[in-house]
Amino acid sequence: GQNIDQPTEMTATEGAIVQINCTYQTSGFNGLFWYQQHAGEAPTFLSYNVLDGLEEKGRFSSFLSRSKGYSYLLLKELQMKDSASYLCAVPGAAGNKLTFGGGTRVLVKP
Amino acid sequence: DSGVTQTPKHLITATGQRVTLRCSPRSGDLSVYWYQQSLDQGLQFLIQYYNGEERAKGNILERFSAQQFPDLHSELNLSSLELGDSALYFCASSSSGASGNLDEQFFGPGTRLTVL
Repeated sequence: GQNIDQPTEMTATEGAIVQINCTYQTSGFNGLFWYQQHAGEAPTFLSYNVLDGLEEKGRFSSFLSRSKGYSYLLLKELQMKDSASYLCAVPGAAGNKLTFGGGTRVLVKP
Repeated sequence: DSGVTQTPKHLITATGQRVTLRCSPRSGDLSVYWYQQSLDQGLQFLIQYYNGEERAKGNILERFSAQQFPDLHSELNLSSLELGDSALYFCASSSSGASGNLDEQFFGPGTRLTVL
């Protein structure tokens, strides 16, 4: 089976940096996805990591360590619009079904 | 706008009833996925179709069924509805869906189902 853990909620100040951790246990690793979801809206793709290391994409970066079963999403220069839930997800061994973590709700304060 | 459309946007019905949710994938996408998101369960995978055939199944109840039609749109049928079925139902699509071939899933805006 697959198990994903991430913190429930985080609060940060506008302009600051926040790191959202995700630990996973999965049989047969096929990469890890991060999605952003604003309340009541559809999840939108942020990143996909399959190799170890840091991938930077503008203000957002994602890191993966396969040996540790660990990933993080780094949000820099936080803006009010970044207030959302951030979902960590791993695909299954067969097909593309995604198993999602419970999501981390990030609240950005002025 | 992801290019995935879902109808209806909102649905309010009573316990015991049956409803059908509809999804049209992005142009060219062969895979359709259905997910359920409730407050206490998070985003849960229900079922995947690839080019008309069932490809993967999650914790989908026997009261629920889905299909993908030749034009690649998909429908999720929920029957004998219970209060606990109230949730957001998302459809997602991707260009592939074959094992070992991963790509990004694009999510539709969702259907909010309320069972009273």
